[in-house]
Amino acid sequence: GDSVTQMEGPVTLSEEAFLTINCTYTATGYPSLFWYVQYPGEGLQLLLKATKADDKGSNKGFEATYRKETTSFHLEKGSVQVSDSAVYFCALRGNNAGNMLTFGGGTRLMVKP
Amino acid sequence: EAGVAQSPRYKIIEKRQSVAFWCNPISGHATLYWYQQILGQGPKLLIQFQNNGVVDDSQLPKDRFSAERLKGVDSTLKIQPAKLEDSAVYLCASSFDSRSTEQYFGPGTRLTVT
Repeated sequence: GDSVTQMEGPVTLSEEAFLTINCTYTATGYPSLFWYVQYPGEGLQLLLKATKADDKGSNKGFEATYRKETTSFHLEKGSVQVSDSAVYFCALRGNNAGNMLTFGGGTRLMVKP
Repeated sequence: EAGVAQSPRYKIIEKRQSVAFWCNPISGHATLYWYQQILGQGPKLLIQFQNNGVVDDSQLPKDRFSAERLKGVDSTLKIQPAKLEDSAVYLCASSFDSRSTEQYFGPGTRLTVT
């Protein structure tokens, strides 16, 4: 079945550091890929998405590129801020009936001033 | 536009008791999802509704969990009887239809079973 693997956290960075959170997936066919963010005390929010190979999703300075050859969708940001502290989830939607999302385990990011 | 509403936000019960969670999706959204998020893990889909019909409930423990969406709008998820391992955050999400790429999540209900 479909699965998503993320790097374990927590990831602790200083403000303005470069961020990479690795995400790899296993799925048949051509899934859509997503990054969701969960700020403390809030619900999950879609951060960015990519629906086909080589697509780059971007939002709020974050970006991720759909790499089918390496089955990866790594999240990057050039300069993190304290306000980026949250839990980040990589997810995929496979080519199945319905619209089920399969999530990775999440990566907690802590940014220190 | 109002988001997905859930209640209660927190619930503490003893094992073997029953509990119910309520979700009101974004107006006009035909598809509704319930996810279970155990601490330290990603959300896992329990059940998906399209209007008032079930699309996928393959991961719902049907011996103790039930869900309904009778009028195709709001939904209730019930656990009876609860077990310790049911302690989790229960997330409700909705999307315009089953092909929409974006699901909108509510704040969740944190359940603690003691």
